[in-house]
Amino acid sequence: AQTVTQSQPEMSVQEAETVTLSCTYDTSESDYYLFWYKQPPSRQMILVIRQEAYKQQNATENRFSVNFQKAAKSFSLKISDSQLGDAAMYFCAYRSETSGSRLTFGEGTQLTVNP
Amino acid sequence: DGGITQSPKYLFRKEGQNVTLSCEQNLNHDAMYWYRQDPGQGLRLIYYSQIVNDFQKGDIAEGYSVSREKKESFPLTVTSAQKNPTAFYLCASYRGPGNTIYFGEGSWLTVV
Repeated sequence: AQTVTQSQPEMSVQEAETVTLSCTYDTSESDYYLFWYKQPPSRQMILVIRQEAYKQQNATENRFSVNFQKAAKSFSLKISDSQLGDAAMYFCAYRSETSGSRLTFGEGTQLTVNP
Repeated sequence: DGGITQSPKYLFRKEGQNVTLSCEQNLNHDAMYWYRQDPGQGLRLIYYSQIVNDFQKGDIAEGYSVSREKKESFPLTVTSAQKNPTAFYLCASYRGPGNTIYFGEGSWLTVV
């Protein structure tokens, strides 16, 4: 079974600075997607960024970018120019495209942004 | 607008009672999922369904049951066999490869 590991339960960053959240996963499959979701106190799940495993180019969405290392099974999220509104729980997720579209989440990283 | 609707938002249950959480989507998505989230923790997969009349157990299916009689609906029943059901429950749906996963707003279940 696929597993997703986020080794940083909590992280903090100063406003306008850059922070990187770590995620590793374990799989024997070659066709999959990786995601970062943001969950503010409202508990709403907000998609931040996604990466297709077959694409070598790292995904970027405005201030958010990933470092996808397929061989190392690593998928870190970099937030540049951090804003107070970035404070939330961040989840890394893996979705298989061969094992019934099963979607697996990591334990999450609570990000605090200090003014 | 298309989306996923979960109801009720808040639910209280007495011990020993079954309760059903509703999840309805009008996105024409094939796959649907149920997750449980405990305070300060991640999302754990309870059940998921790829197509109508088919579903698979996730990591914590014991004490839960589901049905998928219609494409739009994937209700979750929390049975009395679930020993610690107080949690936040999230439903999600997904069309297929390359598409976005949509989440409902969640349901809070409290056992009193």
